Amino acid sequence: GAVVSQHPSRVICKSGTSVKIECRSLDFQATTMFWYRQFPKQSLMLMATSNEGSKATYEQGVEKDKFLINHASLTLSTLTVTSAHPEDSSFYICSAAQRGGLGEQFFGPGTRLTVL
Amino acid sequence: GENVEQHPSTLSVQEGDSAVIKCTYSDSASNYFPWYKQELGKRPQLIIDIRSNVGEKKDQRIAVTLNKTAKHFSLHITETQPEDSAVYFCAASSTGGGNKLTFGTGTQLKVEL
Repeated sequence: GAVVSQHPSRVICKSGTSVKIECRSLDFQATTMFWYRQFPKQSLMLMATSNEGSKATYEQGVEKDKFLINHASLTLSTLTVTSAHPEDSSFYICSAAQRGGLGEQFFGPGTRLTVL
Repeated sequence: GENVEQHPSTLSVQEGDSAVIKCTYSDSASNYFPWYKQELGKRPQLIIDIRSNVGEKKDQRIAVTLNKTAKHFSLHITETQPEDSAVYFCAASSTGGGNKLTFGTGTQLKVEL
């Protein structure tokens, strides 16, 4: 149980284009989903928290107009990197928390984004 | 906000020895402390967690201790094996803080034969 999928697993795009990443909770309802970014040899840094049906809450320093987050249902959240640039190249990981859970987050397998 | 520090950044042990990784946190409201193992290019994998109402928890070769007064918690791995080699992250969150996880900087553990 508590499986989270992420798609795509890997994407290469040209500078200036937009990329959408999907995060799905497959066997539970996720009232809250989190989006992280991880650069090589570094820790996971929280980008934003999204709650189903409401606007995402962004961490300090994360541009909300660049990283668009939508949490339209209890099983799906999407992250769109708009006008991607090479410095946006990173490993993007989502996680989901269950309704009524006690804080545990279930992580997706991650998306490797490379912007040329 | 919460700040989590983790030491050491790298740790090399001989197979069969024990490994200890330590973390400190700053927010006294934090009440959930998970530990993750991450292999290269993979998702973080929860290996053990502890809540603030417990001082110690053990699961086979892995144990975690929590000292709320000093605001630090530690991961102990006994009888290490080569497959334990990975990056380990500690994290902390609070219910009042929306359960947002703040991660430590990570420890690269290498278990040598």
